[in-house]
Amino acid sequence: DIVLTQSPLSLPVTLGQPASISCRSSQSLAHSDGNTYLNWFQQRPGQSPRRLIYKLSNRDSGVPDRFSGSGSGTDFTLTISRVEAEDVGVYYCMQGSQWPPWTFGQGTKVEIK
Amino acid sequence: EVQLVESGGGLVHPGGSLRLSCAASGFTFSTYWMHWVRQTPEKGLVWVSHISSDGSGTSYADSVKGRFTISRDNARNTLYLQMNSLGAEDTAVYYCARDYPGDGIDVWGQGTTVTVSS
Repeated sequence: DIVLTQSPLSLPVTLGQPASISCRSSQSLAHSDGNTYLNWFQQRPGQSPRRLIYKLSNRDSGVPDRFSGSGSGTDFTLTISRVEAEDVGVYYCMQGSQWPPWTFGQGTKVEIK
Repeated sequence: EVQLVESGGGLVHPGGSLRLSCAASGFTFSTYWMHWVRQTPEKGLVWVSHISSDGSGTSYADSVKGRFTISRDNARNTLYLQMNSLGAEDTAVYYCARDYPGDGIDVWGQGTTVTVSS
């Protein structure tokens, strides 16, 4: 099974400043079809997860452009260019390149300093 | 609007059974793979099971294999999860989620809570 390791697990950030979350995979997520099936989800307090990024770097409809996904192979990053108060929550990476099982990272809690 | 609404959660004794349902609306349910994912504070999000669009293909996490059964009724736009031989380790919020072709899991329901306790 592919293991996803996120860091940091807790991320205090200042409003208006950038933030980055790392997700490292135990195996390459590059699929034979040329895609990398690495998604990012945001879970605000008391809510269900919401997908932000799919296939490494594609932003979902309605997701602010301050969110971006990057990386390759086994190393991936979710970047928030300027953190806003509504970005507080837990962020998860998830892989769908080798399944079953689909697997998630442990989650990174973003909070405002 | 795409919507997934889970139901059927509750309190069950160890060794008991429960069936979860997920009612889908706002999209052509019969053309999408579907998943169940559960969440606990200790383990975070954990994938449980998937089913293909016509129900012919399924897969399970090792932790639930042989105890849980995923199924769907495309005429009723409903996804199910039959859970047997429940243990304390199955206590979690259970989400159903849609798998968008080529893009993976996208939309989630609001979740239903399962508590296994004597």
